[in-house]
Amino acid sequence: QQQVKQSPQSLIVQKGGIPIINCAYENTAFDYFPWYQQFPGKGPALLIAIRPDVSEKKEGRFTISFNKSAKQFSLHIMDSQPGDSATYFCAASINSGTSYGKLTFGQGTILTVHP
Amino acid sequence: DAGVTQSPTHLIKTRGQQVTLRCSPKSGHDTVSWYQQALGQGPQFIFQYYEEEERQRGNFPDRFSGHQFPNYSSELNVNALLLGDSALYLCASSVWTGGRRDTQYFGPGTRLTVL
Repeated sequence: QQQVKQSPQSLIVQKGGIPIINCAYENTAFDYFPWYQQFPGKGPALLIAIRPDVSEKKEGRFTISFNKSAKQFSLHIMDSQPGDSATYFCAASINSGTSYGKLTFGQGTILTVHP
Repeated sequence: DAGVTQSPTHLIKTRGQQVTLRCSPKSGHDTVSWYQQALGQGPQFIFQYYEEEERQRGNFPDRFSGHQFPNYSSELNVNALLLGDSALYLCASSVWTGGRRDTQYFGPGTRLTVL
């Protein structure tokens, strides 16, 4: 019940395309859903995050769509650039109450944006 | 404002040895979490420290232990190293804000190679 399933495993798009990465979760107690971007040899960097009381959140070229009833959320990258080529991880945690916010990660998506 | 820092950057050990990794949290953060990231995988939660006590633990054996100091910095110790312990070890810090735990920010990681 703690798993977060992420797809696709890899994704190739042309510059300007809109890659979409999907995640699904089982534990309905999760109340925080961040996306992290990771470049080779670096630590994950927070990209954008959403809470389940919101269905969509936009920050710059990045948008999270959240479907609470389906227990799914997705990341859309508008006008993708070669510099966006990285591994993307979705995650989920319980951040309210006495919880300590342990992150459960998806398996990751390797995104390649061709010039 | 300094982010999360980790030392050393890289480490090479042999099977059976012991290793200590160090982490300094982001300024103002009081909670430190440790994650193990095997090549091509998402980070896996090891444990979390708050107020100098281990608060949550993932599915890792007792060979993995830790400590948090009064200045909130933390150490991860791994005894009797196995080849399978080779991974990127990530430290993340967070803080309580408005009655809930805020976002976790990751350090650059320590790459451990066990020969």
